[in-house]
Amino acid sequence: TQLLEQSPQFLSIQEGENLTVYCNSSSVFSSLQWYRQEPGEGPVLLVTVVTGGEVKKLKRLTFQFGDARKDSSLHITAAQPGDTGLYLCAGKYMEYGNKLVFGAGTILRVKS
Amino acid sequence: NAGVTQTPKFQVLKTGQSMTLQCAQDMNHEYMSWYRQDPGMGLRLIHYSVGAGITDQGEVPNGYNVSRSTTEDFPLRLLSAAPSQTSVYFCASSYSTFTEAFFGQGTRLTVV
Repeated sequence: TQLLEQSPQFLSIQEGENLTVYCNSSSVFSSLQWYRQEPGEGPVLLVTVVTGGEVKKLKRLTFQFGDARKDSSLHITAAQPGDTGLYLCAGKYMEYGNKLVFGAGTILRVKS
Repeated sequence: NAGVTQTPKFQVLKTGQSMTLQCAQDMNHEYMSWYRQDPGMGLRLIHYSVGAGITDQGEVPNGYNVSRSTTEDFPLRLLSAAPSQTSVYFCASSYSTFTEAFFGQGTRLTVV
């Protein structure tokens, strides 16, 4: 059982649709990061959230951190083909020395 | 700025062979780490280092060795490759455990 669960595993949608990706844990995060990875490349950081209830926006992407700091979501509005990629959440836990623990990832495909 | 550079990009090994995956960063980051990425598993931490001369094990360290003689370099050694080590390997660096991690482009390793 993974410490950090990410869902859904795969998402295929039409251009213009909205979507949400979820990241959940049974333990409290000291912080949580969202990364995007394209084929043949390493992950690139999108955002870091630290405070419970925090909401951050990056253009059409909205990131929320749960009040209890055990869950997070990534919402994309009006998805575009350029949003296609692998989205990874990664949490840091005090009891694990603040090392990054990654979820399995969500493969997003946006069709035009 | 090159960031994090990994070599080689692709490698095929026979079972039992040894090899070293190279990782270098030019950002003067203290924290460096190695991950492996397998389908449906996300990124799993192999080894990490908080500074020159200091290394520690991550989640999946068996079969891998590391050393950190300089701030810039953090090589990963496979002493006797096994098919289970077929994976994509990523090196990452950050200023500290609390800041953004920068990833290399990855090394795709196949062990036959």
